Amino acid sequence: GQQVMQIPQYQHVQEGEDFTTYCNSSTTLSNIQWYKQRPGGHPVFLIQLVKSGEVKKQKRLTFQFGEAKKNSSLHITATQTTDVGTYFCAVTTNSGNTPLVFGKGTRLSVIA
Amino acid sequence: DTGVSQNPRHEITKRGQNVTFRCDPISEHNRLYWYRQTLGQGPEFLTYFQNEAQLEKSRLLSDRFSAERPKGSFSTLEIQRTEQGDSAMYLCASSGDTFYGYTFGSGTRLTVV
Repeated sequence: GQQVMQIPQYQHVQEGEDFTTYCNSSTTLSNIQWYKQRPGGHPVFLIQLVKSGEVKKQKRLTFQFGEAKKNSSLHITATQTTDVGTYFCAVTTNSGNTPLVFGKGTRLSVIA
Repeated sequence: DTGVSQNPRHEITKRGQNVTFRCDPISEHNRLYWYRQTLGQGPEFLTYFQNEAQLEKSRLLSDRFSAERPKGSFSTLEIQRTEQGDSAMYLCASSGDTFYGYTFGSGTRLTVV
């Protein structure tokens, strides 16, 4: 079945440093979504990318979808302690009619 | 609307017992999903409803698991003859047709002793 690889598994950064997590698939994706899960919380939807090469920004967060629609990245500029959590990518190869497959996530720790 | 609601929040049960969890999705959402999450892992898909129809069930899902959504509103997930390996957080999510981002509930944490 569909699998998606996320790297790195863990990332520790000093507050103010940048952070990037990557999501890779062996198959072409219909769309990719990103979620954030705070410690002890549940996943919260951040954004959806659909178009090849798409770039979207949310304040300090920048999301990219690869030209081949097989990979994506999430970049956080100047991390803050509120960014702590696990970031998951979730993918579907169908136009939204099949359930999302989640990656294992990247756990971000921010040291003040 | 207060979002996706799951009950109970915590369940501790003895091995071999049956448990049932409930999920109340966002009222306008016709799609409902059950996922399972263990420590350090991403949510793992279990099953999916569109309205009252169960459209997909994970091949990894044991026959001891069953889910229903009788009137296309709330859903229940039952686990029969629980095993220690069933211990996990069970997450419910819902989504609408035109926007595919999922809204998750807070989950039910199951501990089988």
